[in-house]
Amino acid sequence: KQEVTQIPAALSVPEGENLVLNCSFTDSAIYNLQWFRQDPGKGLTSLLLIQSSQREQTSGRLNASLDKSSGRSTLYIAASQPGDSATYLCAGFYSGNTPLVFGKGTRLSVIA
Amino acid sequence: DTGVSQNPRHKITKRGQNVTFRCDPISEHNRLYWYRQTLGQGPEFLTYFQNEAQLEKSRLLSDRFSAERPKGSFSTLEIQRTEQGDSAMYLCASSLEGVVQETQYFGPGTRLLVL
Repeated sequence: KQEVTQIPAALSVPEGENLVLNCSFTDSAIYNLQWFRQDPGKGLTSLLLIQSSQREQTSGRLNASLDKSSGRSTLYIAASQPGDSATYLCAGFYSGNTPLVFGKGTRLSVIA
Repeated sequence: DTGVSQNPRHKITKRGQNVTFRCDPISEHNRLYWYRQTLGQGPEFLTYFQNEAQLEKSRLLSDRFSAERPKGSFSTLEIQRTEQGDSAMYLCASSLEGVVQETQYFGPGTRLLVL
């Protein structure tokens, strides 16, 4: 069974701190790994997508890495801001006509 | 705004009533997914369409749930005889088959509360 786990479930950091969110997946036959942001009561916003052939992707202050052999992905957020406060979800997409498999998310609070 | 719209955004209903949600995907996207998300959990897959064909249904989709995508455009999700356990956020996503990075774009969701 394909499972995605995110640790920690919640994280609180002071503004300006660099932080890392972790995601692990059980099936290494992953096609791509996607990180999403979700604000309370809202839908999902795609942040970064890493294909299985890639090691990392960067967008602004965000950097996501993928290590298929260890079944892990990390999302690095540099110089965190209060506006980064949200739930961050990672999801694996496996080959074929399969839906995304989500973790439960990490709820991030950046304190001013 | 991702280009995927969902209506209504909120729905409050009494137990036993039927409800129907609508999803309008990005116009050129041929794949459409429905997910359900409860508080503190990640979204869970319900069902998936490629064009008008419903290709996969999760075991979460009981007989009270039905989804359609006539003409391969918008989709509806109907829940009959709602139960309190159906209270959740229902998310729709669309994607374009064959694109190397098959990103799924999510709508804002429909939040259902069953009293």
